[in-house]
Parts: sequence; structure tokens; C-alpha cells
Amino acid sequence: AQSVAQPEDQVNVAEGNPLTVKCTYSVSGNPYLFWYVQYPNRGLQFLLKYITGDNLVKGSYGFEAEFNKSQTSFHLKKPSALVSDSALYFCAVRDVTGANNLFFGTGTRLTVIP
Amino acid sequence: DAGVIQSPRHEVTEMGQEVTLRCKPISGHNSLFWYRQTMMRGLELLIYFNNNVPIDDSGMPEDRFSAKMPNASFSTLKIQPSEPRDSAVYFCASSLWGRGQSDTQYFGPGTRLTVL
Repeated sequence: AQSVAQPEDQVNVAEGNPLTVKCTYSVSGNPYLFWYVQYPNRGLQFLLKYITGDNLVKGSYGFEAEFNKSQTSFHLKKPSALVSDSALYFCAVRDVTGANNLFFGTGTRLTVIP
Repeated sequence: DAGVIQSPRHEVTEMGQEVTLRCKPISGHNSLFWYRQTMMRGLELLIYFNNNVPIDDSGMPEDRFSAKMPNASFSTLKIQPSEPRDSAVYFCASSLWGRGQSDTQYFGPGTRLTVL
């Protein structure tokens, strides 16, 4: 069965410092991996995705994620955090059995401290 | 593009009443998903449709919940009768499904349901 794990419920980082939000996946075959962000009282917004090709994927708002097949990870990164990046972040993997639903992680709340 | 549209944005009702949530997917998308989000249970997939056909409703909590998609541009999620434990934010999302598609889902703003 497909799944993703976000091992940290909460990540705190100082403004201007690099940030990392972790995600590991479990899937047979080649995964389609996604990151979404949720700001307070909003729906989830698509940030970036990995389908194939370059292991480093660039997305919205200066975020990027690195696909690491040997470590089955897809960590979200940003070189310099902004206070406005404070939000709830979800990692997701697409079902590879033929269905097209996504399996979401439990979310990581990122707080950027001024 | 207007994105995924959900209505109402907020709904307050009393236990036992019928609640209907509405969703208009992004034009051209052929997959539609209903999710529920609570603090306790996180984000849960309730049901999804491809080309207006329900594919997986295993996440629907019980018979009080039903969903329909009569055409490509409209879906409803109905709760009858509603209970306080149904209080949550309900999201609708849509995607483009098919050969070669990555199935990126785009979410609506959600409906915050409070059942008193």
C-alpha cells in the first residue's frame, strides 16, 4: 500500500535561516510525489511535484524538494525562511495501482520566528 | 480560471438537520474529490469521482453521508441527519485524470460545518 510519513508535527525555524520539512514515502514502483501548503482558513495549495527526471524539483514561493530514491525521501526545502511561510505543509503520493487518488501525510506545522 | 468553487463557505445547523455541500470543479477537470479535515483525524478522503462516476467511497463514514455528481461541473455532498461529530471543514478538489496526467489536485476553499 502507498503511504507517506511526515515525522515532525512541528518545525520551528528563525527567519532567514534555511528550512526543511521532511517526508518519506512507501510505494512499489515509481512514485508521483507532491507537496501542498495550507494557510489558516484556506484550502490546500499545490506547491510542487516530482514525476520523473531531475531529482531537484522547484516550485512556488521559492520552495524546492529533493527526491531521494535510496532514502525514499522527498524533503521540502527553502534557502531562507520568511515569516509568511508559516503554515501547515502536507506531503502526498499518488496511488500507483491505477487509481488516481493521493495519499496525504499527517501534515507538519511550520513556524518561522521573526 | 476561478478555481474550485465551494458553497456555502460556512454552515451552522442543528443536529438532525440535512446539510448539503456544493462543489464546482475547475472547468475541464474530470476527477473530483471530497475530503474532510478535523484536528483529531487530519485530512480524510471521503469519496472521489472520475468522469462523474464514483470510484471509491470507502472513506464515507456511514450511510448518513451521500455524494452525487450529476454532471461534469457540479457535485454535492449530503449529510442526513447531521450529528455534532460531523463538524469539520469539508474540501472539494479536482484534477485532470487520464493517460500521461500527473493528477495534481486543486483544492477549493472549503466549507466549515458546525453541527450544534
